[in-house]
Amino acid sequence: EVQLVESGGDLVQPGGSLTLSCTASGFTLSDYWMTWVRQTPGKGLEWVANINRDGSARQYLDSVKGRFTISRDNTKNSVFLQLSSLRVEDTAIYYCTRPPGRRFDYWGRGALVTVSS
Amino acid sequence: DVVMTQTPHSLSVTPGQPASISCKSTETLLDRDGTTYLFWYLQKPGQPPQLLISEAFNRFSGVPDRFSGSGSGTDFTLKISRVEAEDSGVYYCMQGVRLPWTFGHGTTVEIK
Repeated sequence: EVQLVESGGDLVQPGGSLTLSCTASGFTLSDYWMTWVRQTPGKGLEWVANINRDGSARQYLDSVKGRFTISRDNTKNSVFLQLSSLRVEDTAIYYCTRPPGRRFDYWGRGALVTVSS
Repeated sequence: DVVMTQTPHSLSVTPGQPASISCKSTETLLDRDGTTYLFWYLQKPGQPPQLLISEAFNRFSGVPDRFSGSGSGTDFTLKISRVEAEDSGVYYCMQGVRLPWTFGHGTTVEIK
C-alpha cells in the first residue's frame, strides 16, 4: 500500500525556518518525481515544488523561489522541503504528493505550518 | 499563470440526482505530446484531496463509474450521474500543462 507521511510542521515566527519531511512507503521512491502542494483557506490549493527522480532537477512556485528548497534521499525513502524566510502568507497545510504523468495519485495527510509572531 | 475557473461555487443535490461541475482554463490544456493535462480531485473534510479523473476523462483506480469527465481545450466538465451521500465534499479541477500547475477554487457539493 502506497503511503506518504509528512512531519515537521510547527508554529514559527516570521523570518524563521523549518524543514518538512515526507516518508514514503509501498513503492520505490527513486522511480518517481515528487511534489509538495499547500492549502490555505484564502488561496486554496497551490502547487509549491517538484523534484525529479534523482534530485538533479527542481521546480518552484515563483513566490517561494529562493526561500524554499525541495530535496530527497532515496536511500531513506524521504523527500524534504526546507522553508526559510517564512512569511505569514506561507501559513498552510503542506502535502507531499506523487505526480506520475502530472496527476497527484497519492497524498499524505499533510503537515501544518503556522507563521505568526 | 493558467487560471482555472470553476462553476458553480456550490451546489446542493438530492441523492440519486445528477450533478455537473464546469471548469474553464485560460489556456488550452492540450500539450504538444497529445495529452490533455486536466485533473479532477475530491476533498472530504479533514482529508487530503483524492484523485478522481486524470487526462480529462480517465477514471482513477477505484473511482465509481458514476463519475465521468469530459471536455477538451479549455472547457471541461465533471458529471456525477447519480449522487450518493459519500460524494459530498469540495471538488477541484487542476491543470498540469504549464508550470505553475494551478487549481480551481473548488466547488462544494452538499447532499440534501
